[in-house]
Amino acid sequence: QVQLQESGPGLVKPSGTLSLTCAVSGGSVSSGHWWSWVRQPPGKGLEWIGEIYHSGRTNFNPSLKSRVTISVDKSKNQFSLKLNSVTASDTAVYYCARDGDDRVFDYWGQGTLVTVSS
Amino acid sequence: DIQMTQSPSSLSASVGDRVTITCRASQSITTYLNWYQQKPGKAPKLLIYGASSLQSGVPSRFSGSGSGTDFTLTISSLQPEDFATYYCQQSYSTPPVTFGQGTKLEIK
Repeated sequence: QVQLQESGPGLVKPSGTLSLTCAVSGGSVSSGHWWSWVRQPPGKGLEWIGEIYHSGRTNFNPSLKSRVTISVDKSKNQFSLKLNSVTASDTAVYYCARDGDDRVFDYWGQGTLVTVSS
Repeated sequence: DIQMTQSPSSLSASVGDRVTITCRASQSITTYLNWYQQKPGKAPKLLIYGASSLQSGVPSRFSGSGSGTDFTLTISSLQPEDFATYYCQQSYSTPPVTFGQGTKLEIK
């Protein structure tokens, strides 16, 4: 059973950088799947941020592309998200998820709330 | 980007009711349509993929249909644990993956 667990600071200052890591267990980031980040502002819907393959190939939501970096660490079996120049509108629960096939998200982390505030 | 529009945005129903939620895409996505269920404080859970395929472990009272631009999620007989928010998601034209705005299913 694949499990994903997000970790990182719960509070980030405006104009700072949000950094999160997703640890994968019960499976490998090198397993041939893409791995995604999805966020959900409080009380709102889901927004896809971007994805990474174990080769390091990435795709991003054009609305966030200029501020997002996603990387993978195969030795630690994890992948990471960095979002820079954050504002209050970046406050959200951030989820990592596995793309089972054709961007069907079959496994999700529990989510972590990141608040942008001074 | 492909826009996904769900209707209704909220819905009140009773245990045992048959419920249908609709999702419309701004252009054809053939059958690249997935449905998720989300309960408060929890991650989304995959219910249906490829418009009509039931994810393993999901009760058979859930079903999906449609192709092109119009899709439906049907719950044949609502159970207490089904009260949640439901999202559709297209995976036809990416990036970006896009989701509907959600349909909140509440107890009447």
